[in-house]
Amino acid sequence: EPEVTQTPSHQVTQMGQEVILRCVPISNHLYFYWYRQILGQKVEFLVSFYNNEISEKSEIFDDQFSVERPDGSNFTLKIRSTKLEDSAMYFCASSATGGADTQYFGPGTRLTVL
Amino acid sequence: ILNVEQSPQSLHVQEGDSTNFTCSFPSSNFYALHWYRWETAKSPEALFVMTLNGDEKKKGRISATLNTKEGYSYLYIKGSQPEDSATYLCAFRRTYKYIFGTGTRLKVLA
Repeated sequence: EPEVTQTPSHQVTQMGQEVILRCVPISNHLYFYWYRQILGQKVEFLVSFYNNEISEKSEIFDDQFSVERPDGSNFTLKIRSTKLEDSAMYFCASSATGGADTQYFGPGTRLTVL
Repeated sequence: ILNVEQSPQSLHVQEGDSTNFTCSFPSSNFYALHWYRWETAKSPEALFVMTLNGDEKKKGRISATLNTKEGYSYLYIKGSQPEDSATYLCAFRRTYKYIFGTGTRLKVLA
């Protein structure tokens, strides 16, 4: 069964450094999402992406964050200058359509900012 | 501020018991309500996507209902098994934005 993959599974970085989290959505899916979960808190929506554009973003997704689909398969989340509070589990998801369609989640990347 | 609440936060049931949990969400500008099953160290697994008021969906022993007018959805598990132990998350969708609840942690005791 097709699945969403994410790399790396765990990333440790120093405060102020840039990180890029990578996702490979399911191949025929057109809508892509990033979420995060800070330990002990709710899963939070960051951004949705379609046709090389952001469809919607949350208040969390400020100028420090950006997303890109650099080629036909990868979907990346970049954090320009990481802060301690960016430490979280970051999940990528994809869906075939933008309608009321099932979202498939990746296994997540645990980001630790020191 | 959009808020999605789930209750209870956690519960333990005996194998064979039936159980249910609640997801409450804003009743305005509703687009869809998603239910996920999330086991530790795995990705959230989609259970249901519900869109219409009065919707009822079923997958094996798990079913869900939706009331968009009053802003709630119930998830039912019939005859719980130890492998049902997981966190059950709901997510409310408005446009392309998703708001998650805190989840209900279910532990089924053998």
